[in-house]
Amino acid sequence: GEDVEQSLFLSVREGDSSVINCTYTDSSSTYLYWYKQEPGAGLQLLTYIFSNMDMKQDQRLTVLLNKKDKHLSLRIADTQTGDSAIYFCAESPLYSSASKIIFGSGTRLSIRP
Amino acid sequence: AAGVIQSPRHLIKEKRETATLKCYPIPRHDTVYWYQQGPGQDPQFLISFYEKMQSDKGSIPDRFSAQQFSDYHSELNMSSLELGDSALYFCASSSTSTEVYGYTFGSGTRLTVV
Repeated sequence: GEDVEQSLFLSVREGDSSVINCTYTDSSSTYLYWYKQEPGAGLQLLTYIFSNMDMKQDQRLTVLLNKKDKHLSLRIADTQTGDSAIYFCAESPLYSSASKIIFGSGTRLSIRP
Repeated sequence: AAGVIQSPRHLIKEKRETATLKCYPIPRHDTVYWYQQGPGQDPQFLISFYEKMQSDKGSIPDRFSAQQFSDYHSELNMSSLELGDSALYFCASSSTSTEVYGYTFGSGTRLTVV
């Protein structure tokens, strides 16, 4: 996606933390999301954050938002083999009726034993 | 819990043929979105419907059309298929009247044009 950028690949050792980064350009983005896509599967919403927050934690997932730099990150603690997937950062300007979501290009996370 | 249902899961068509993809949103969701994901690509927004009216349009070719019916299910009609239309087509639904944010995606329809 032209408005949301991510690095394409990340490789981490099992048990380590994974940090996936994303930058976006739309300063009016109100909601930012992380989606997970396993091979041949659909898009699973992992977590989301409002633009007026700077951190959100949900079990092994921690989302950090730096609104000034338009930078979003997803940290996965104690990465497991089941975390292997493509992770998409996404943003929408406004949660109104039918606000479309713009996706980044996705980061492929691979886990080393 | 009920999810977004898409049918068929897989579809093989020849060039210049027509295809119809169906999407059944989560009950009481009033908004439906269609996305196209090419091989190794991020999902690209095609079109969305809110309360049976088209609400936004993205990079949808003129050969494609879509509508949302009175029961809120949606169909994506694709005509004069080209090889480049081979992709995974996702439908997603959301509700503007609940506190649930983000869309729920279906498992997708994999269209192969040969």
